[in-house]
Amino acid sequence: SQQGEEDPQALSIQEGENATMNCSYKTSINNLQWYRQNSGRGLVHLILIRSNEREKHSGRLRVTLDTSKKSSSLLITASRAADTASYFCATGGAQKLVFGQGTRLTINP
Amino acid sequence: DGGITQSPKYLFRKEGQNVTLSCEQNLNHDAMYWYRQDPGQGLRLIYYSQIVNDFQKGDIAEGYSVSREKKESFPLTVTSAQKNPTAFYLCASSPRTGLDEQYFGPGTRLTVT
Repeated sequence: SQQGEEDPQALSIQEGENATMNCSYKTSINNLQWYRQNSGRGLVHLILIRSNEREKHSGRLRVTLDTSKKSSSLLITASRAADTASYFCATGGAQKLVFGQGTRLTINP
Repeated sequence: DGGITQSPKYLFRKEGQNVTLSCEQNLNHDAMYWYRQDPGQGLRLIYYSQIVNDFQKGDIAEGYSVSREKKESFPLTVTSAQKNPTAFYLCASSPRTGLDEQYFGPGTRLTVT
């Protein structure tokens, strides 16, 4: 069962610009996590935000969580070519994560 | 060098054959997971295990089987009953279960013809 839905499905921007991806979900959560996947590779964990947190930063990443709207956003500032990847949100319950379909981000030089 | 290993990276099988995908971790994690990813799609959970000798079905367990005889190992068997087995399979582990971040292996791309 897919809970998280990312928006947009694909995003193409110029290097140096900021990229924003959104995730919406349906049921209550313990936490929400963001992962990155380079083509043909495994996923890499980026950031975890708990349900009682509203914002979290990690380097060039900023994640917000609005539990009243059941939504989260991932902002990547000053994008680089190496940021080209698919980004997935995953909602954490008691026993497992449920992943969304992902946003495919392309950074153009 | 800690992490999760999956082997092989590419696997080819004929229709009707069972095939076992390997997943090993040396992170001392309790929980392990198997996901399936189809082109351009997200991850779907096949099976997960929170502790040795115990595992639960995920969302798409039909046609798959697992075992968890050792903490470090969680092999996945794709049986001939799986109607559309060609996919990218990802194994992951976490210290506990849904509350923790997951660490992923590099994946195995299975092609069945």
